[in-house]
Amino acid sequence: EIVLTQSSGTLSLSPGERATLSCRASQSVSSNYLAWYQQKPGQAPRLLIYRASTRATGIPDRFSGSGSGTDFTLTISRLEPEDFAMYYCHHYSGSPPYSFGQGTKLEIK
Amino acid sequence: EVQLVQSGSEVKKPGESLKISCNTSGYKFINYWVGWVRQMPGKGLEWMGIIYPGDSDTRYGPSFQGQVTISVDKSISTAYLQWSSLKASDTAVYYCARVGRDGYIQRSAFDIWGRGTMITVSS
Repeated sequence: EIVLTQSSGTLSLSPGERATLSCRASQSVSSNYLAWYQQKPGQAPRLLIYRASTRATGIPDRFSGSGSGTDFTLTISRLEPEDFAMYYCHHYSGSPPYSFGQGTKLEIK
Repeated sequence: EVQLVQSGSEVKKPGESLKISCNTSGYKFINYWVGWVRQMPGKGLEWMGIIYPGDSDTRYGPSFQGQVTISVDKSISTAYLQWSSLKASDTAVYYCARVGRDGYIQRSAFDIWGRGTMITVSS
């Protein structure tokens, strides 16, 4: 079973800054089957990125994903006030079960 | 429009049974896996399991195998999550979500989510 580790528990940044969130897998994620979700308080998660770098429908282009193998990154180029939220990575490679990372909280500095 | 509508909040006592639902619409139910995700109070997302309505192939996360049952009713495009004997530690929000497709890949990310069902288990 692949374990995902999101290294930054909390990231404190200001609007307009660039955010870089990381997700490391305990073994290689085949075919880069890794997704990123955003979750705001009291809301369901929302898919941002799948297959490591493909934006989901309706996601602004300030969100981008990169990486391969065991190291993946979600980048938000210029933070908007509405981007401050929790972010989770999720792998779906190989046969289930799959898993989520423990999350990174992006907070306003 | 694709929608997943979950049943309402529940308050139950330890030892009681429960079945919550996720009614889907706007797509062909039997062609997409559907999954369940747990979020305990103040905690992160946990992958519980997924089911393929076409043949009821079901896969569980190791922490949930034997603890819950995932099922579907194809006739009403609905997925279910059930417990036979609830524990206080089952208190959480439970989300259902559609597993997207990506080209020929049948199991991609969770692309559409329900709003969640809050389950409170307390004596």
